[in-house]
Amino acid sequence: AQRVTQPEKLLSVFKGAPVELKCNYSYSGSPELFWYVQYSRQRLQLLLRHISRESIKGFTADLNKGETSFHLKKPFAQEEDSAMYYCALSSSSNTGKLIFGQGTTLQVKP
Amino acid sequence: EAGVAQSPRYKIIEKRQSVAFWCNPISGHATLYWYQQILGQGPKLLIQFQNNGVVDDSQLPKDRFSAERLKGVDSTLKIQPAKLEDSAVYLCASSRFRTGDYGYTFGSGTRLTVV
Repeated sequence: AQRVTQPEKLLSVFKGAPVELKCNYSYSGSPELFWYVQYSRQRLQLLLRHISRESIKGFTADLNKGETSFHLKKPFAQEEDSAMYYCALSSSSNTGKLIFGQGTTLQVKP
Repeated sequence: EAGVAQSPRYKIIEKRQSVAFWCNPISGHATLYWYQQILGQGPKLLIQFQNNGVVDDSQLPKDRFSAERLKGVDSTLKIQPAKLEDSAVYLCASSRFRTGDYGYTFGSGTRLTVV
């Protein structure tokens, strides 16, 4: 079955500390993976996608097929990074349907 | 470009009543999605349209939920009759590309409370 697991409901770090939001997936094919973010009182928005291998707002994510992981990382957290983060898997490149994890709340303390 | 518009923002109804949500996607986006997000969970796809045709409605509870996109633009999602467990945020999203490789644009959602 296709599944996305985000093991941490809440991750709390101090400003300037490194951040790693964990995401593991279960998928038999070649996955398309994404990170979405929802800031307080804002709509859910795309942060980054693995196919573009880009860095957005200092965040990066590397697809590790051996460990079936797509962890989100940032070397130095900022207070404005506080938000809910969702990892998502595209189950089929033919439909674009996304399967989301349960989300991790990142809290960056001053 | 204008974003994905949804209305209403909030709705409170009693169980067994009916409710409808409306979505206007970004102009030119052929693919439209309705997701249900229950508190504490990630969004779950209910139905996907490509223009006015249904691509995937495998997780839509068809005994009570219905959706349409008659002219391939606006879409309406209806629940009739509502149950307590339907309390959730209903998100509409649109994409220019069917594959979703470039990600979606989400609306602000409609928060439904069934009492």
